[in-house]
Amino acid sequence: EAGVTQFPSHSVIEKGQTVTLRCDPISGHDNLYWYRRVMGKEIKFLLHFVKESKQDESGMPNNRFLAERTGGTYSTLKVQPAELEDSGVYFCASSLGQLNTEAFFGQGTRLTVV
Amino acid sequence: AQSVTQLDSQVPVFEEAPVELRCNYSSSVSVYLFWYVQYPNQGLQLLLKYLSGSTLVKGINGFEAEFNKSQTSFHLRKPSVHISDTAEYFCAVVYRGSTLGRLYFGRGTQLTVWP
Repeated sequence: EAGVTQFPSHSVIEKGQTVTLRCDPISGHDNLYWYRRVMGKEIKFLLHFVKESKQDESGMPNNRFLAERTGGTYSTLKVQPAELEDSGVYFCASSLGQLNTEAFFGQGTRLTVV
Repeated sequence: AQSVTQLDSQVPVFEEAPVELRCNYSSSVSVYLFWYVQYPNQGLQLLLKYLSGSTLVKGINGFEAEFNKSQTSFHLRKPSVHISDTAEYFCAVVYRGSTLGRLYFGRGTQLTVWP
């Protein structure tokens, strides 16, 4: 069974440009989460989808970030326009719909804004 | 609010030595406790978790952790490490009643095992 897959693995963009990160969760997983780790700091929660609905987006830093999960399958996280402080590793995770089920993480996308 | 403190950012040890990675948490409500590991160029992998029951939890690759409620700690231990244990280790908590994917992480501890 395929795990959580994230594209691209690395992205280098200039300040002011737009970048879209993609996450393909494990098939059948209703819960999908985005996290971010800025260098030297802890991994922080961004938002949580249940199927196509945003359950919790309290961690989204500002309105330059837009997450979607059309059809309840894969998800995208768009940053527009990107700023230097957006650099970091973006992780996606997914889990089954039941409450006490483990979340599985992808390998992350390393975003560098120059 | 809750926070997770990993007291050591770097832990260097020699192969076959024992290791303890420390984790303390603060929370006004009950939590579940986790350790995740990130090997080089890989994603986060669940090492072990404490949800309820025995406070000594055994995980993969010979690791174990003990939940100490009075000290609000969840330290990770291994009696004899291998080169392949070199990785970054993250302690995390989840509010009881939340999905297990809603994690609050510590800053991570880089474990480096030397031959």
